[in-house]
Amino acid sequence: DTGVSQDPRHKITKRGQNVTFRCDPISEHNRLYWYRQTLGQGPEFLTYFQNEAQLEKSRLLSDRFSAERPKGSFSTLEIQRTEQGDSAMYLCASSSHIMNTEAFFGQGTRLTVV
Amino acid sequence: GNSVTQMEGPVTLSEEAFLTINCTYTATGYPSLFWYVQYPGEGLQLLLKATKADDKGSNKGFEATYRKETTSFHLEKGSVQVSDSAVYFCALGGMDTGRRALTFGSGTRLQVQP
Repeated sequence: DTGVSQDPRHKITKRGQNVTFRCDPISEHNRLYWYRQTLGQGPEFLTYFQNEAQLEKSRLLSDRFSAERPKGSFSTLEIQRTEQGDSAMYLCASSSHIMNTEAFFGQGTRLTVV
Repeated sequence: GNSVTQMEGPVTLSEEAFLTINCTYTATGYPSLFWYVQYPGEGLQLLLKATKADDKGSNKGFEATYRKETTSFHLEKGSVQVSDSAVYFCALGGMDTGRRALTFGSGTRLQVQP
């Protein structure tokens, strides 16, 4: 297993366009998290899945954001009608219930909205 | 709510100097505490963790002790190397905090000069 994979690594989009990011967690991990990180800040929690169920969403996750994990494996994060303020690094992490809260992170998708 | 406060950076040290990066926290319940490191161009990696009061986490010469009485988890290393240059994030998490996701500090950039 090569760890948590995210695709694409970089995305440049025009304001108002929709974008979708993919995350493939470590295969035996049933928990998956999305975070957003802006320059000079720590990651901020967006949403959390246990298997295919989305169990928690942050107030940061506006109605333009939607996340899915249809089969309890990979996950997608879609941002509709992107705004310049959406420019950030989007991080995915996964963990095992056996390992408690220790999370393993992907390298992130850097989104630039122009 | 849960929060983590880290000393602001950048911290600039000469090789072989002693390192301390301060971290204090506010949390509901009894959190687990973590230090993550982000090397240039790479994703977040778990550096060390401690799951209960007075536990000491250690890895790669770094140490941090979970101090419940001072709500602190300061990161230390006796002799830094140029390869330690990175951004260090303190984080807390665990079911006792009321949520599974991690809460991160804003990060401290360490620059080690030869």
